[in-house]
Amino acid sequence: DIVMTQSPDSLAVSLGERATINCKSSQSVLYSSNNKNYLAWYQQKPGQPPKLLIYWASTRESGVPDRFSGSGSGTDFTLTISSLQAEDVAVYYCQQYYSTPLFGPGTKVDIK
Amino acid sequence: QVQLVESGGGLVKPGGSLRLSCAASGFTFSDYYMSWIRQAPGKGLEWVSYISSSGSTIYYADSVKGRFTISRDNAKNSLYLQMNSLRAEDTAVYYCARDSGPPECSGGSCYFDYWGQGTLVTVSS
Repeated sequence: DIVMTQSPDSLAVSLGERATINCKSSQSVLYSSNNKNYLAWYQQKPGQPPKLLIYWASTRESGVPDRFSGSGSGTDFTLTISSLQAEDVAVYYCQQYYSTPLFGPGTKVDIK
Repeated sequence: QVQLVESGGGLVKPGGSLRLSCAASGFTFSDYYMSWIRQAPGKGLEWVSYISSSGSTIYYADSVKGRFTISRDNAKNSLYLQMNSLRAEDTAVYYCARDSGPPECSGGSCYFDYWGQGTLVTVSS
């Protein structure tokens, strides 16, 4: 079974600064037949359901600000918030869909 | 616009049963895979089950296999989760989510592009 890990567990970043969240899968989620990474990122604010940010590791969902970007391939992935805004305070989850869906444990982002 | 509205949550004793419903609107329900995902209080997200657009393909997480049953009624634009033999560890907010599924993901379940607001299930004596 694939295991998903995220680092750090939490981070505090100053407004306007960069936030970087890492996600690692125990097995590659790169599907060789279509060369796509089966990895998504979600944002969850307190009291709200998760919101899809990124899919196929780097494709931004419609309406998501371009300060959010995803990168990586195979087993190592990164979500970057290029200039943190107050409304970005949330928990961020990665999810692999290479096999039955599995979420990472989450990374909490706060303002420093 | 896409809307998913869950209902049926509540307080139930260990060993009891509950049936959750999810009413979908704003899209062609019968074209999409659907999933149930839960979140225990203060914890992360756990995928529970998915069902294909026709209902012919179903998968469950090991933690609920044999106790929970997912189903759908495409004529009523509705998704269901029958939960039996409930345990304290099933206490969570249960979300229904639209699964982008095939053809995006040829194998089956994919990423979740729309989520409901969730319904709380509490299992306690």
